[in-house]
Amino acid sequence: SQQGEEDPQALSIQEGENATMNCSYKTSINNLQWYRQNSGRGLVHLILIRSNEREKHSGRLRVTLDTSKKSSSLLITASRAADTASYFCAKGSNDMRFGAGTRLTVKP
Amino acid sequence: DAGVIQSPRHEVTEMGQEVTLRCKPISGHDYLFWYRQTMMRGLELLIYFNNNVPIDDSGMPEDRFSAKMPNASFSTLKIQPSEPRDSAVYFCASSLGGADYGYTFGSGTRLTVV
Repeated sequence: SQQGEEDPQALSIQEGENATMNCSYKTSINNLQWYRQNSGRGLVHLILIRSNEREKHSGRLRVTLDTSKKSSSLLITASRAADTASYFCAKGSNDMRFGAGTRLTVKP
Repeated sequence: DAGVIQSPRHEVTEMGQEVTLRCKPISGHDYLFWYRQTMMRGLELLIYFNNNVPIDDSGMPEDRFSAKMPNASFSTLKIQPSEPRDSAVYFCASSLGGADYGYTFGSGTRLTVV
């Protein structure tokens, strides 16, 4: 399966707090990708981390990858109300499939 | 770049009618994907193309669904005849290089079949 499984299903935090979402996958990867989906919009690509990388940063986003545990995490630091969205992970493949995502709510 | 462009944004049709959804990928991208999203099933990959050739259509739910990519700048997803259970948001995405790079999604077409 080219699908990632996100955890938790839902997360609610206050503005300014950090948000951590986790992703697990079953088979080996070349890369793992994280996407964000705001309500009613298409998915937006956030970060791609390759199998030989352990950590990657982009602004307030930090992604880690542990290939031995087949897991990844997405950390959003100093969250803002605008970060409210669903977040998805997926194994990089030509038939990329998505799990149910983590629904993040950031309260102002 | 205008991104991936889908039309229409919203479509309401009666059961039994033919529906055609359209997608213009980002210029130069060689992969194009069609996804469907519902509350019940989440995001489902329907079909994808590489260099205008359909590679995997195993996600197409049934023969009522068909997709074409006549050239590198245009793709259609057709449902004929449409049924209420086809109601969903349909997304098109494109990518340069496929698996090794991220996908760029369009804004989607919200289809309602009544």
